[in-house]
Amino acid sequence: EAAVTQSPRNKVTVTGGNVTLSCRQTNSHNYMYWYRQDTGHGLRLIHYSYGAGNLQIGDVPDGYKATRTTQEDFFLLLELASPSQTSLYFCASSDSWGVAETLYFGSGTRLTVL
Amino acid sequence: AQSVDQPDAHVTLYEGASLELRCSYSYSAAPYLFWYVQYPGQSLQFLLKYITGDAVVKGTKGFEAEFRKSNSSFNLKKSPAHWSDSAKYFCALNTGGADRLTFGKGTQLIIQP
Repeated sequence: EAAVTQSPRNKVTVTGGNVTLSCRQTNSHNYMYWYRQDTGHGLRLIHYSYGAGNLQIGDVPDGYKATRTTQEDFFLLLELASPSQTSLYFCASSDSWGVAETLYFGSGTRLTVL
Repeated sequence: AQSVDQPDAHVTLYEGASLELRCSYSYSAAPYLFWYVQYPGQSLQFLLKYITGDAVVKGTKGFEAEFRKSNSSFNLKKSPAHWSDSAKYFCALNTGGADRLTFGKGTQLIIQP
């Protein structure tokens, strides 16, 4: 069973604050992803990576940075948080990039920006 | 551009009934379709996928889905429904790899005892 662990589970910050969301997967997967989930939208891809040091831009990257420090660890950074970034964030991983790949998701981080 | 539509934001059924959650997609080439489920307070879990071959695919927890190219649909089914099936269900379409996975808005399913 794939294991993807996110921290923290909940985070509250103020507008302009600096936030880092963490994700670790222990399945030797090459691909990792950050999504946000908002009411009225499906999951939307922020950034993804296919290996340590690699970063690819997703569909809604504005206001977010990400860094993949190791194969296991993928971080999402909000350097000047805004209320529009209040959301539920999911990290996911997959073994490869193919169209048939299954994603394994973490439990999510609920971020509130006041 | 590709898209996924789940027209029912909420579905409520009684336990023992048959459930069918609707999903339609828009994509001109061969689709790769998925269903994921999100139980309350938990993360998304893979349920099943259609890649090619048989139109009816079976997944975990007694679910199955039918791919219909004629009307671009991939509906999720289960009979009978159980109260533990209460969750949010997401349909997704992959058109070309890691960054081409499009999720629908999800259907919140409530099974009443």
